[in-house]
Amino acid sequence: EVQLLESGGGLVRPGGALRLSCAASGFPFPNYAMSWVRQTPGKGLEWVSTISGNGRSTYYADSVKGRFTISRDNSNNTLFLQTDNLRAEDTATYYCSTVSGTNWGQGTLVAVSS
Amino acid sequence: DIQMTQSPSSLSASVGDRVTITCRASQNILNWLAWFQQKPGKAPKLLIFKASTLESGVPSRFSGSGSGTEFTLTISSLQPDDFATYYCQQYKDLWAFGQGTKVEIK
Repeated sequence: EVQLLESGGGLVRPGGALRLSCAASGFPFPNYAMSWVRQTPGKGLEWVSTISGNGRSTYYADSVKGRFTISRDNSNNTLFLQTDNLRAEDTATYYCSTVSGTNWGQGTLVAVSS
Repeated sequence: DIQMTQSPSSLSASVGDRVTITCRASQNILNWLAWFQQKPGKAPKLLIFKASTLESGVPSRFSGSGSGTEFTLTISSLQPDDFATYYCQQYKDLWAFGQGTKVEIK
């Protein structure tokens, strides 16, 4: 069974940082490109970032470019999102997903507030 | 960047109704379009990919059509489990989601 389990969310002050993780199991993780998507409370879905299976290619939404960094550890089947210089508007539930959209984690909440 | 626009933003319908949701892309995305269903507090669930291909396990009352810039999601006979928010997503050029359509009980 495919499982994606996010962790690392929490409450952080503006300008702070968090490292989100997504532990994957049940599929050949290195073969799959992966994405992060966020959802502001009560609002819609926003694509954040995508990384290729080998980690060599990365893509970012303009809203996070230069502040967030996506990476992966294929030996440990884990996806990461380093979020730096956080702003109030980054407050959201962050989901990891296979790039096919077939499999999603349950989400981890990031709250940015002073 | 490709922008996705859904309509309506919400609708009220009864069990058994036929429901249609429209999604427009700001440029030609061929058939690189998916539809997702999301319920409160849950992750999105893939319903349809490549504009009209039903994901495994999704009931046949769901169907998708369109290509280029205009797409539709149709629920042929609305069931109680279908009350949710629906999103279109283009994946021709990275990803972009529509703003969502909330389907509520009339």
